[in-house]
Amino acid sequence: DGGITQSPKYLFRKEGQNVTLSCEQNLNHDAMYWYRQDPGQGLRLIYYSQIVNDFQKGDIAEGYSVSREKKESFPLTVTSAQKNPTAFYLCASSLQGAGRGAFFGQGTRLTVV
Amino acid sequence: GQQVMQIPQYQHVQEGEDFTTYCNSSTTLSNIQWYKQRPGGHPVFLIQLVKSGEVKKQKRLTFQFGEAKKNSSLHITATQTTDVGTYFCAGRNNQGGKLIFGQGTELSVKP
Repeated sequence: DGGITQSPKYLFRKEGQNVTLSCEQNLNHDAMYWYRQDPGQGLRLIYYSQIVNDFQKGDIAEGYSVSREKKESFPLTVTSAQKNPTAFYLCASSLQGAGRGAFFGQGTRLTVV
Repeated sequence: GQQVMQIPQYQHVQEGEDFTTYCNSSTTLSNIQWYKQRPGGHPVFLIQLVKSGEVKKQKRLTFQFGEAKKNSSLHITATQTTDVGTYFCAGRNNQGGKLIFGQGTELSVKP
């Protein structure tokens, strides 16, 4: 089955540690996105990538880093510089150019203690 | 930067009543998309509007894109309990790439 997979579903980390969230898609989509969802604030764009080996900052990129070495994969690292990392993180992918609808993964709920 | 505002934040209706959520962008959009997120779930794509003044229908859902391509609305006729969830609009500007979401409207339906 084609789809977009995020892992793990729940993640706990100690303050000061970096953590990497996985996002893999087998939909052959060019574009991939990372969003953060907090209660009452909707989805805020962290990073997006339109093509392999290229990515752009979204509205809240500070404290996060990404890589896009393969078309299928777009991992997000939450660094210790991110002041409020506890949140629900959603990865999405879409076909590039035609403004197609984005497919979302199930999300990773990160809790930093 | 580009901003997409959505109102209201919450809407509580009696089953059978209508519901509307509104979306406004600070910049002209190349297209607007609508998503639905059920409680505990992830956003699911509903529809995309591209043309100025476009209206599309999906059963009881009616989607509109404004003439200036800066606003949009989703109207649900005769809500049902299955309509419960948060509805998001998402806009892509003429520069492409970025998909910016509104804050969402959380709909609850009382049977």
